Amino acid sequence: GNSVTQMEGPVTLSEEAFLTINCTYTATGYPSLFWYVQYPGEGLQLLLKATKADDKGSNKGFEATYRKETTSFHLEKGSVQVSDSAVYFCALSKGRTGAGGTSYGKLTFGQGTILTVHP
Amino acid sequence: GAVVSQHPSWVICKSGTSVKIECRSLDFQATTMFWYRQFPKQSLMLMATSNEGSKATYEQGVEKDKFLINHASLTLSTLTVTSAHPEDSSFYICSARSGEQLGTQYFGPGTRLLVL
Repeated sequence: GNSVTQMEGPVTLSEEAFLTINCTYTATGYPSLFWYVQYPGEGLQLLLKATKADDKGSNKGFEATYRKETTSFHLEKGSVQVSDSAVYFCALSKGRTGAGGTSYGKLTFGQGTILTVHP
Repeated sequence: GAVVSQHPSWVICKSGTSVKIECRSLDFQATTMFWYRQFPKQSLMLMATSNEGSKATYEQGVEKDKFLINHASLTLSTLTVTSAHPEDSSFYICSARSGEQLGTQYFGPGTRLLVL
């Protein structure tokens, strides 16, 4: 079956440090890959996604590249801020593309990585 | 952006009682809603998928008579934990997806349930 493995946290960084959160996956076929972020007291929000090999998703300074050869989708940010402190979830989904666009099936999540950024 | 709310945000109940959790899409119509369960320091586990007006589809290992899901309207789904026991204590999260935004699930803030 499908599975997602994230690096264990928590991750603690100083402001302006470089961030990497590793994510690898196991899936049949060609899943779509996602990073979700959960800020304290809020629901999960989609941070970025990539739907095919070598795609790079990016948002708010975060990037992740879909690497099929290594089955990875590592999240990176060049300079983190205190406001980036949150829980980050890697996820995958199998999608179907039809006339109306792409429909994604159920999401399979990694265990989440807590990031704390200090001033 | 699309907003999904959950109510209550936390609940404490006695063993043997039933608890209802509501999930609402506030500014869009949700044709599909998902219910997840999250244990401390663990991933979100999908419990069931519900489509408006039809029966929910439960994941393997999830007791449908224990976790009753109703998706009676395009903006509301409810999860009822029946005859709750301490092992049902967990963080329950819903998400909603509209037919116009097939690729995106919008998540609620979660409901923390503690069964004494």
